[in-house]
Amino acid sequence: GAVVSQHPSWVICKSGTSVKIECRSLDFQATTMFWYRQFPKQSLMLMATSNEGSKATYEQGVEKDKFLINHASLTLSTLTVTSAHPEDSSFYICSARDRFDLADSYNEQFFGPGTRLTVL
Amino acid sequence: DAKTTQPTSMDCAEGRAANLPCNHSTISGNEYVYWYRQIHSQGPQYIIHGLKNNETNEMASLIITEDRKSSTLILPHATLRDTAVYYCIVTLTDKLIFGTGTRLQVFP
Repeated sequence: GAVVSQHPSWVICKSGTSVKIECRSLDFQATTMFWYRQFPKQSLMLMATSNEGSKATYEQGVEKDKFLINHASLTLSTLTVTSAHPEDSSFYICSARDRFDLADSYNEQFFGPGTRLTVL
Repeated sequence: DAKTTQPTSMDCAEGRAANLPCNHSTISGNEYVYWYRQIHSQGPQYIIHGLKNNETNEMASLIITEDRKSSTLILPHATLRDTAVYYCIVTLTDKLIFGTGTRLQVFP
């Protein structure tokens, strides 16, 4: 099956630093990738939609200047948490759609294993 | 996107069928029903999806009522590895909006 990887799997950083998280589709091309955040004991919250070659679309309430998304190729999207603070500590998960799943009705998304961010 | 309602938690004995209900009474005609699950500390995994007809794959069966206002995910022979949070999502677009899901605990 299709595989999505994330790097790093976990990261600990100091408050005020920036952290970059990579999301890669390993065996398929993805024109669209999605970024989610999940706090402990809560559900996934969609943060933004990342489109290859264009600007990301952010969900309401998500600060686009704080969570920078770049989708420069069909297999890689990056999420940079700028000036991270302890409240940004969370589990960040990406997902991707295969670009050849052209049918609008078919929305199988492949999820990465997640990146656990801890900001001290 | 239509809102979904799922029980918070369910238990199932290993080897028995697990039937997970989902209510989506405000579903519109073109919206699909998707099921994903998330095993602890992992990314979600696609299970199955459907529009009107019942669907079956190697993982599960999806039963959608005739009025489409509710559905049931069936894991025919639950194993300990099926312990997870199961999410029922109804959507027309490629955005997946996750609700609180059902925490399924399979016990020996």
